[in-house]
Amino acid sequence: DIHMTQAPSTLSASVGDRVIITCRASQSLSGWLAWYQQKPGKAPKLLIYKASSLESGVPSRFSGSGSGTEFALTINSLQPDDFATYYCQQYKSYSLFTFGPGTKVDIK
Amino acid sequence: EVQLVESGGGLVQPGGSLRLSCDASGLTFSNYWMSWVRQAPGKGLEWVANIKKDGSEQYYVDSVKGRFTISRDNAKNLLYLQMNSLRVEDTAVYYCARDGNSPSQGAFDMWGQGTMVTVSS
Repeated sequence: DIHMTQAPSTLSASVGDRVIITCRASQSLSGWLAWYQQKPGKAPKLLIYKASSLESGVPSRFSGSGSGTEFALTINSLQPDDFATYYCQQYKSYSLFTFGPGTKVDIK
Repeated sequence: EVQLVESGGGLVQPGGSLRLSCDASGLTFSNYWMSWVRQAPGKGLEWVANIKKDGSEQYYVDSVKGRFTISRDNAKNLLYLQMNSLRVEDTAVYYCARDGNSPSQGAFDMWGQGTMVTVSS
């Protein structure tokens, strides 16, 4: 099974900050990694797929990078609407998807 | 409007059963793998199960194998999750999620609003 970790678990930031969230997999994902944003009481929203491809309609301040086992989600110029929890997800194998534990971005 | 709408959640005693449904409207349902993803109160996301476009393959997380069954009716645009032998730790919001087609295949590009399942005596 592929185990996912994220860092940090909580991040305090201000509007306008650049924020980086990292995700690590226990084995190589060959780029099969997605990022989601979730706000309280709402369903998750896809931001990034295939490690670095921006989902249609997602603001360009969001970007993904990485390969192998190390990945990052960067938010440039954090906006008030971006305070949320972010999850990475691996989909290397269709028989077992796994999510990271999440990173909460809150207001400093 | 393209949307996924879950139903069937509720309160059930440990050992009981529930069947969740997900109504997929406004999309060609048979073109997509579908999944169930759950979220326990205050916790993170957990993928539960998925099913191939034609229903011929299903996969499950270990913790629900032998207790949960995912199925679909492509003629009715419906996804199901039959949950038996429910445990307290199955308490969660259950989301149905659409697996995007290429190039985003494997990532969930559409989600329902979720339905709450509470397992308690």
